[in-house]
Amino acid sequence: GAVVSQHPSRVICKSGTSVKIECRSLDFQATTMFWYRQFPKQSLMLMATSNEGSKATYEQGVEKDKFLINHASLTLSTLTVTSAHPEDSSFYICSARREGLSNQPQHFGDGTRLSIL
Amino acid sequence: GNSVTQMEGPVTLSEEAFLTINCTYTATGYPSLFWYVQYPGEGLQLLLKATKADDKGSNKGFEATYRKETTSFHLEKGSVQVSDSAVYFCALGAQAGTALIFGKGTTLSVSS
Repeated sequence: GAVVSQHPSRVICKSGTSVKIECRSLDFQATTMFWYRQFPKQSLMLMATSNEGSKATYEQGVEKDKFLINHASLTLSTLTVTSAHPEDSSFYICSARREGLSNQPQHFGDGTRLSIL
Repeated sequence: GNSVTQMEGPVTLSEEAFLTINCTYTATGYPSLFWYVQYPGEGLQLLLKATKADDKGSNKGFEATYRKETTSFHLEKGSVQVSDSAVYFCALGAQAGTALIFGKGTTLSVSS
């Protein structure tokens, strides 16, 4: 069964709306979760690393004020796309990785297709 | 720094053909290596992994062997099916708790 649950799977909304995406770790506690963005036919782009109880670590070029990340518990991280515009339309995927050893895989949610009109 | 390079696609095959998708890596130390598969409109699923040199990961008829001497982790399948059509990502895990490093993905298209 799913190890990471992501919700919603699809969002269509008007420009200027803020959209919240939830990512839950179902099988283990995750002090760290990751948010990716994927453009059509392109690879994954790591946006940020979400840290439970502290600020997220953003990759270079990712706007912190545009993409707000909150990791309030060991099983939940949220990504809020604030004042979304058509250029924010994309496929957003979260993932979590068990702590401890480098041999642990990342488990991915099913992704959220965001379409801004 | 650590990096992953995989062959560019798309790879187009007929059903029952042999598949190889090349993946090489650059890393310090002894990383773990992974293959993920992404079906259209879905997230990534772990396909197989290998955690040390000469390990062979296998799943659903796919195999990959961790070759330290050639820093490679090529994905193979003896007989592909239409249902194998997807994007395949090679990934490297160097440090616990950090994001895996992904290749750019290879699109596989299998026709009947």
